Amino acid sequence: QQQVKQSPQSLIVQKGGISIINCAYENTAFDYFPWYQQFPGKGPALLIAIRPDVSEKKEGRFTISFNKSAKQFSLHIMDSQPGDSATYFCAASEETEGGSNYKLTFGKGTLLTVNP
Amino acid sequence: DAGVIQSPRHEVTEMGQEVTLRCKPISGHNSLFWYRQTMMRGLELLIYFNNNVPIDDSGMPEDRFSAKMPNASFSTLKIQPSEPRDSAVYFCASSQGTAGVLRDFGAGTRLSVL
Repeated sequence: QQQVKQSPQSLIVQKGGISIINCAYENTAFDYFPWYQQFPGKGPALLIAIRPDVSEKKEGRFTISFNKSAKQFSLHIMDSQPGDSATYFCAASEETEGGSNYKLTFGKGTLLTVNP
Repeated sequence: DAGVIQSPRHEVTEMGQEVTLRCKPISGHNSLFWYRQTMMRGLELLIYFNNNVPIDDSGMPEDRFSAKMPNASFSTLKIQPSEPRDSAVYFCASSQGTAGVLRDFGAGTRLSVL
């Protein structure tokens, strides 16, 4: 059972455009939603994360929008640059009894290509 | 900071052989994770250590897989015996604190079992 569904699988955007990647989840107990960026031959790196008590979080050109009622969240990359070309993963986790969000469920990833 | 260091970067072995993957977490981090990445299943958590103690190994697929963390600066993931379906990229990651928030992965070990 895929608990976090990510779309699209691939995305091509022109330089300066907006890249939008969407994720939907099923488990209403999820309370932590990070996004990861992975370049070829490298491991994923945490990009930005949000908790469900806010509807939006912005860090530089990257924004997470969160819709709790729809159980959806999305990553927006403004002014997309060729250097943003990478695979992006959304993820979700629920807090354990010990207060940890370690057990992440990942989406399948979106390959973003930004053309110059 | 050199980041999370994994070795080897690539491993090619024959079915039935023992494989040992190694990880050096970021200094000062007390949480360590082993993940496996495949096209079919994506990123899956295999095992999570906190303060060198295995907290959750429910993702370890079979008894053929074992992981150890003898000290704060070293961990191993061993597969014995290896099978072709174990072919994947294995990532180690580390974080600071007990929240287990996963920040940085190593570059991974690409394992091919023939």
